Amino acid sequence: SAVISQKPSRDICQRGTSLTIQCQVDSQVTMMFWYRQQPGQSLTLIATANQGSEATYESGFVIDKFPISRPNLTFSTLTVSNMSPEDSSIYLCSVEGPKGKETQYFGPGTRLLVL
Amino acid sequence: AQKITQTQPGMFVQEKEAVTLDCTYDTSDPSYGLFWYKQPSSGEMIFLIYQGSYDQQNATEGRYSLNFQKARKSANLVISASQLGDSAMYFCAITRGTSYGKLTFGQGTILTVHP
Repeated sequence: SAVISQKPSRDICQRGTSLTIQCQVDSQVTMMFWYRQQPGQSLTLIATANQGSEATYESGFVIDKFPISRPNLTFSTLTVSNMSPEDSSIYLCSVEGPKGKETQYFGPGTRLLVL
Repeated sequence: AQKITQTQPGMFVQEKEAVTLDCTYDTSDPSYGLFWYKQPSSGEMIFLIYQGSYDQQNATEGRYSLNFQKARKSANLVISASQLGDSAMYFCAITRGTSYGKLTFGQGTILTVHP
């Protein structure tokens, strides 16, 4: 199984600031995915990050608010820009399992609280 | 668009008993997959079981089995011999076509196992 780490694990930020979340995978993967889980809610896909191309955003999410980088096949960052209290959530990155293994592995998540 | 419905906000079960968590779905994709994840209070997403839409048999993984009824568009999770450690939030999710990374999640069911 893929081992995924995220930094920071949690943070408390002031409104109007930005936070960059890092996601590291222990193997090379083509696509990485970013999800958001608002308090008491389910997970929602923010965007898909492909190495060497622009990230693809889901409806309701825009690049200016959630810029994503994917510099290589094992690493990605998600920035939450100009934060407001509504951005308080758990942010999780994930990767698909290897071919023949139908699964998706999630990182431990980053708990963000915006004051 | 895909949609997942989990109609049980909370479920209670006695230790060592079996419990069924309901999940119905809607999709226009001819081929798709269904996942169940467990999310304990720590927030991590733990993969439990996967069912492909063309799999002939219902999936099983240890104490977890999936009661897949394609015509009824349901994919209920059965946990046998419940343990105290099974107390958690459980999410059902459906793939977007055959992309395991792009998941649509249900609202979740909180399972409480009583001793």
